Amino acid sequence: GNSVTQMEGPVTLSEEAFLTINCTYTATGYPSLFWYVQYPGEGLQLLLKATKADDKGSNKGFEATYRKETTSFHLEKGSVQVSDSAVYFCALKKGDKIIFGKGTRLHILP
Amino acid sequence: DADVTQTPRNRITKTGKRIMLECSQTKGHDRMYWYRQDPGLGLRLIYYSFDVKDINKGEISDGYSVSRQAQAKFSLSLESAIPNQTALYFCATSDLGLAAREDEQFFGPGTRLTVL
Repeated sequence: GNSVTQMEGPVTLSEEAFLTINCTYTATGYPSLFWYVQYPGEGLQLLLKATKADDKGSNKGFEATYRKETTSFHLEKGSVQVSDSAVYFCALKKGDKIIFGKGTRLHILP
Repeated sequence: DADVTQTPRNRITKTGKRIMLECSQTKGHDRMYWYRQDPGLGLRLIYYSFDVKDINKGEISDGYSVSRQAQAKFSLSLESAIPNQTALYFCATSDLGLAAREDEQFFGPGTRLTVL
């Protein structure tokens, strides 16, 4: 069946460090892929998305590229800020439902 | 004002009690969802509804029921709460747009439920 696997956290980095959060998926066909972010005390909100192979989603300095050949959608940011501290969820959409990964907690130290 | 609201935001109850969590939205979306979030398990779908007359079970519907009272309202009930239903519960909405593959979900702020 369809599934999403993302790296376990927590991930702790210093401000201005480079960030990668790995995400791989299992699905038939061509799902749409998403990254959602959950800030403390809030619900999830869409960070970026990609709907076909080689698409790059980007927002707020974050990027992720839809890699069909490696079934991956890794999240990257060149220089993280303290305000990026949150839980990040990789997700895929196939048909009518979205399947979420387990989430990766990110801590950024000043 | 928030587009997706949930009440209550926090609730502590005892085993065996009936609990209702409510969700309202002003986005005009037809589709609504209930999820629970547990540490290390991510989000799991409990129930979803694609319109007022359509209710579907998700992956963990046992012990829960829902009611879609109107397009804008979707309630989740625990008929007889048990401690392993202690979790963070989220309501979400989405719209079936022309580019359905791109449809995102919009989440409420969550309800933290503790069952003693």
